Amino acid sequence: NAGVMQNPRHLVRRRGQEARLRCSPMKGHSHVYWYRQLPEEGLKFMVYLQKENIIDESGMPKERFSAEFPKEGPSILRIQQVVRGDSAAYFCASSLVGTRDEQYFGPGTRLTVT
Amino acid sequence: GQQVMQIPQYQHVQEGEDFTTYCNSSTTLSNIQWYKQRPGGHPVFLIQLVKSGEVKKQKRLTFQFGEAKKNSSLHITATQTTDVGTYFCAGFGIGNQFYFGTGTSLTVIP
Repeated sequence: NAGVMQNPRHLVRRRGQEARLRCSPMKGHSHVYWYRQLPEEGLKFMVYLQKENIIDESGMPKERFSAEFPKEGPSILRIQQVVRGDSAAYFCASSLVGTRDEQYFGPGTRLTVT
Repeated sequence: GQQVMQIPQYQHVQEGEDFTTYCNSSTTLSNIQWYKQRPGGHPVFLIQLVKSGEVKKQKRLTFQFGEAKKNSSLHITATQTTDVGTYFCAGFGIGNQFYFGTGTSLTVIP
């Protein structure tokens, strides 16, 4: 049973470009969460999605960031017009039942904005 | 807004010494989870506590959930170098939002 997969593992973008981060949850999991982690800091919740629905996006910046989890395919975290402050590790996690279930994390995507 | 703080932020111990990290929430949590993140790695689920005053053990690790469900602790007995990493608590609070604690980074000196 494959774990949570994220790609790419490393992504370099110039300021102003778009970054697309992909997350495939564990098989059978329909709940996906995105977190951002700055170096030497903790995890900051961004968004919680269930198939085709955004359940909680209270941690998502209002501008430039969006997330989706389509009926088919991986969840996508999209960052438009990236700035240097977006450089961070972005982790995706999935769970079987919902927010009260244990979350399985992917290896993360390390985004560097130059 | 709700906050989940952990203390200490950093802890260095000699191998064989005990270690404890404390997790404190500004409001009542419905449950609490603990995760471990190795350097350069991703968080890995350790355990979940649900009941007030609950205590769970995993080998050398002991987890407690406070009576008021606003705090929790993780205690490691006789640390080993494999215990190195950052330990995060996470819990559900107001509006079912999920909050990760600030983390405690553990260094074990051989």
